[in-house]
Amino acid sequence: EPEVTQTPSHQVTQMGQEVILRCVPISNHLYFYWYRQILGQKVEFLVSFYNNEISEKSEIFDDQFSVERPDGSNFTLKIRSTKLEDSAMYFCASSRTSGVSNTGELFFGEGSRLTVL
Amino acid sequence: QQPVQSPQAVILREGEDAVINCSSSKALYSVHWYRQKHGEAPVFLMILLKGGEQKGHDKISASFNEKKQQSSLYLTASQLSYSGTYFCGTLTWGDSSYKLIFGSGTRLLVRP
Repeated sequence: EPEVTQTPSHQVTQMGQEVILRCVPISNHLYFYWYRQILGQKVEFLVSFYNNEISEKSEIFDDQFSVERPDGSNFTLKIRSTKLEDSAMYFCASSRTSGVSNTGELFFGEGSRLTVL
Repeated sequence: QQPVQSPQAVILREGEDAVINCSSSKALYSVHWYRQKHGEAPVFLMILLKGGEQKGHDKISASFNEKKQQSSLYLTASQLSYSGTYFCGTLTWGDSSYKLIFGSGTRLLVRP
């Protein structure tokens, strides 16, 4: 069964360092997302991506964040200068269509746990 | 614009029923329901697209009241495997496209 894969599963970094989280969405999916979840809390929307551009982003997704799809298969989230409060589980998700159809379900990866020291 | 879920937590005995509610202050294009087990990724349960739509599989079903901007998830004859955190996701129109925003979750614990 096709799945969304994320690397690394866990990354520890020093405050101020740059981090890149990688995702390989399901191959025939067109919509891509990043969400994050601080331990034990809600799943927060960061950004959605379609047709090689950002379609929506949240207030959290400020200038320190960026996404790209460099080669048609990977989907990356870059955090430029990490802060302590960026420590969270980051989930990548993909969907075949937008959420307004029965095929709009999101398939989530297993997550990348980011710890900022 | 985050949907409001209630209750925050539920403890059930195996075989009991539960209802989880989700409401939004914004017009909804669809409602998604996901379950997350501890340490795992959220897993899709169902999408409701139209007002009045009801869906279900096994003993988990949901309804969508588009006018009231509300959805409810019904778990009947709960099983131990139903334990986890349930999130509703509401699809609304953002600045230029749709976005799926999750509620704060309802923690469900089913005991033998």
